[in-house]
Amino acid sequence: GAVVSQHPSRVICKSGTSVKIECRSLDFQATTMFWYRQFPKQSLMLMATSNEGSKATYEQGVEKDKFLINHASLTLSTLTVTSAHPEDSSFYICSAKGQGWEQYFGPGTRLTVT
Amino acid sequence: AQSVTQLDSHVSVSEGTPVLLRCNYSSSYSPSLFWYVQHPNKGLQLLLKYTSAATLVKGINGFEAEFKKSETSFHLTKPSAHMSDAAEYFCVVSAYSGGGADGLTFGKGTHLIIQP
Repeated sequence: GAVVSQHPSRVICKSGTSVKIECRSLDFQATTMFWYRQFPKQSLMLMATSNEGSKATYEQGVEKDKFLINHASLTLSTLTVTSAHPEDSSFYICSAKGQGWEQYFGPGTRLTVT
Repeated sequence: AQSVTQLDSHVSVSEGTPVLLRCNYSSSYSPSLFWYVQHPNKGLQLLLKYTSAATLVKGINGFEAEFKKSETSFHLTKPSAHMSDAAEYFCVVSAYSGGGADGLTFGKGTHLIIQP
């Protein structure tokens, strides 16, 4: 099946700094990528949808200036958490969709802001 | 608007006994419905999907689910639980019949525990 990777798998950063998370489709071209956030023992919440070469579409309540999404190529999307604060600590998961209907999920990135 | 309700946050069964994970949905459109499994430190894996074809859907690892429009339900079942089935299970709805044109709406998840 299609494989999606995320890097890093875990990151710890200090409050006020920025951190970038990468999402890659390894064996297919992803026309659309999605970013989700998962709080402990809770469900995944869609943050934004990005199509290659265009601006991301953010869900209501998600600050686009805080969570910068770039989808510069058909195999790579990045999520940058700017000026991170402890409340941004969470599990961030990306998914990628090619020509078909199915979304393929990455393994997630655990962000801890101290 | 669409939403998903997973009726049990935790389900515990003995190995070899049947599994039932309950899910109800609401959607303004004819929905696509999915079940995903999340093992610790691993990505979400698709178990099965319903996209307006047969109402009884068979998935991987012996799981199946039945779409019941009159009950707005999409319960997940397995005849005989295995220790490796222990994981978090998510019922998911998409507004589009293609299932992938939009972000997915996840239920809160059901933690399946398998007793030896």
